Amino acid sequence: QVQLQESGPGLVKPSQTLSLTCTVSGGSISSGGYYWSWIRQHPGKGLEWIGYIYYSGSTYYNPSLKSRVTISVDTSKNQFSLKLSSVTAADTAVYYCARERGGTGATLFVDIWGQGTMVTVSS
Amino acid sequence: QSVLTQPPSVSEAPRQRVTISCSGSSSNIGNNAVNWYQQLPGKAPKLLIYYDDLLPSGVSDRFSGSKSGTSASLAISGLQSEDEADYYCAAWDDSLNVRVFGGGTKLTVL
Repeated sequence: QVQLQESGPGLVKPSQTLSLTCTVSGGSISSGGYYWSWIRQHPGKGLEWIGYIYYSGSTYYNPSLKSRVTISVDTSKNQFSLKLSSVTAADTAVYYCARERGGTGATLFVDIWGQGTMVTVSS
Repeated sequence: QSVLTQPPSVSEAPRQRVTISCSGSSSNIGNNAVNWYQQLPGKAPKLLIYYDDLLPSGVSDRFSGSKSGTSASLAISGLQSEDEADYYCAAWDDSLNVRVFGGGTKLTVL
């Protein structure tokens, strides 16, 4: 079955760029029909959807984060990545990569989650 | 303040039935499908219900979802201690153009 695994630094300094990678195993990103997304959870809080990418490179971002977010895909490595620029302490959270299915846009839903990785923004 | 409103906590005894509500508006629940997730302590969320009332393969039929107007509900019957978790509803919001989540409900099995 498809599994997702996040990787990247657990500590990022304020004003720098947070970079995470999600490695997909058990299936190909290029097979189509799925969108690949990032979602975060602030400590002790609820979930915030960041955005998604299709294997073709088409993206959609949360408008509230759009100016700082870049999601990219590397089909040769079966990976997709998140970059969040100009981070502050408010970006401290557990970051999940996930798979979405069910059409496009409003009809999509997350069906598989990675285990999550904690990222702390601190000097 | 979450766009979708859930009670912070619910509790019920083992073997009983509990429902968790999720209240929204015409721009989200009223016009789009609702999905539910279970998050066990220290774990990633897991899909429980999609498209309002559909069960993914492998999910116990003790879980069920429903929707009416701008509100949705998750019901869990035959409560077990292993059901203790946080539960989140989610839907697309046409006004904000983003997927929104409820604030989560912590279920305690007494």
